[in-house]
Amino acid sequence: DIVMTQSPDSLAVSLGERATINCKSSQSVLYSSNNQNYLAWYQQKPGQPPNLLIYWASAREAGVPDRFSGSGSGTDFTLTISSLQAEDVAVYYCQQYFGIPLTFGGGTKVEIK
Amino acid sequence: EVQLLESGGGLVQPGGSLRLSCAASGFTFSSYDMHWVRQAPGKGLEWVSGISSSGGNTYYADSVKGRFTISRDNSKNALYLQMSSLRAEDTAVYYCAKADWRYWGQGTLVTVSS
Repeated sequence: DIVMTQSPDSLAVSLGERATINCKSSQSVLYSSNNQNYLAWYQQKPGQPPNLLIYWASAREAGVPDRFSGSGSGTDFTLTISSLQAEDVAVYYCQQYFGIPLTFGGGTKVEIK
Repeated sequence: EVQLLESGGGLVQPGGSLRLSCAASGFTFSSYDMHWVRQAPGKGLEWVSGISSSGGNTYYADSVKGRFTISRDNSKNALYLQMSSLRAEDTAVYYCAKADWRYWGQGTLVTVSS
């Protein structure tokens, strides 16, 4: 199984400041035949299902503000919120869809400092 | 508008069974793989099971293999999860999700307790 490890578990960032969340996979999720990383990022607010933010590691889902960006390749990935807004308070998860079983990171809780 | 609506959750005793349903609308259901993902109270996300668009291929997490069965009825635009031999650790909100991961249901709560 591919283990997804997120860090930190939580972080507090001032409004307007940058938030950075890391995700490391236990094996590469880069598929050589199409050069795509099978890695997604989600935002989850209390009482709601997860909301897809980023897929293919760096492709922003339609309607997602451009302050959210994804980067990385192979085994190391980052979700960046360039200027934290109050509505970004949530838990963020990475997920690999390279292989079965599909696996999620443990989540990172983002709060306002 | 894509909609996924889960139902069938509730309180069940350890060792019992439950069948979850997910009613899909707003897209060509028969063209998409589907998944079940669960979330225990206060915990993270755990993929449970997936099924191919035709229903011919099914996949399970080790934690539920042999106890849960995923199925679908493309004529009814419905996805199912038959759960048996339920354990306390199966207590969670169960979400169905379209395989592009853009659309999730609101979830249905399964509580396994005596």
